[in-house]
Amino acid sequence: EEQLVESGGGLVQPGGSLRLSCAASGFTFNIYWMTWVRQAPGKGLEWVANIKQDGSEKYYVDSVKGRFTISRDNRKKSLYLQMNSLRAEDTAVYYCARRADFDIWGQGTMVTVSS
Amino acid sequence: EIVMTQSPATLSVSPGERATLSCRASQSVRTNLAWYQQKPGQAPRLLIYGASTRATGIPVRFSGSGSETEFTLTISSLQSEDFAVYYCQQYNNWRGTFGGGTKVEIK
Repeated sequence: EEQLVESGGGLVQPGGSLRLSCAASGFTFNIYWMTWVRQAPGKGLEWVANIKQDGSEKYYVDSVKGRFTISRDNRKKSLYLQMNSLRAEDTAVYYCARRADFDIWGQGTMVTVSS
Repeated sequence: EIVMTQSPATLSVSPGERATLSCRASQSVRTNLAWYQQKPGQAPRLLIYGASTRATGIPVRFSGSGSETEFTLTISSLQSEDFAVYYCQQYNNWRGTFGGGTKVEIK
């Protein structure tokens, strides 16, 4: 079964850091673009960042540029999101998703930024 | 940034009726447009990609149409399990963007 499983979410104070992980299974990870999408409580979906198959290209939504870094380890079939200088407005469920049109999603991991 | 606008925000439909959801892009996205369904507490599910191609396992009552800047998702005969929020998303450039969503509720 093709699957994505996120982990690493939690409660963090404003200004803090968190690293999210997304483990892929059941498919050839290194042939796909991968993306992080987030959803604030009660709000819509927001595209956050994506990364090319070999990691050579990365793109970010303006609101996280300079604070978040997307990366991947194809040997471990894993996607990551390093989040620094976190703000209250980063509070959301974070999903990882496969391909540019997101055909597979993880179940999401909740990130809460609060003092 | 390409801005995606969905209408209406809420659509009240009776079971068995047809639902038509709209999505407009601020500039051409060709047919690089996807539709997703999201139910409370669940991750979104891909319904349509390439503006009109149903994803694997999606019932034929779901259909997508359009190109460039105007797109439509049609649910031909609403079933109880179709009441949910629907999002469109463009992936014509490297920074994909979503519409604000349309909630389909029971009339």
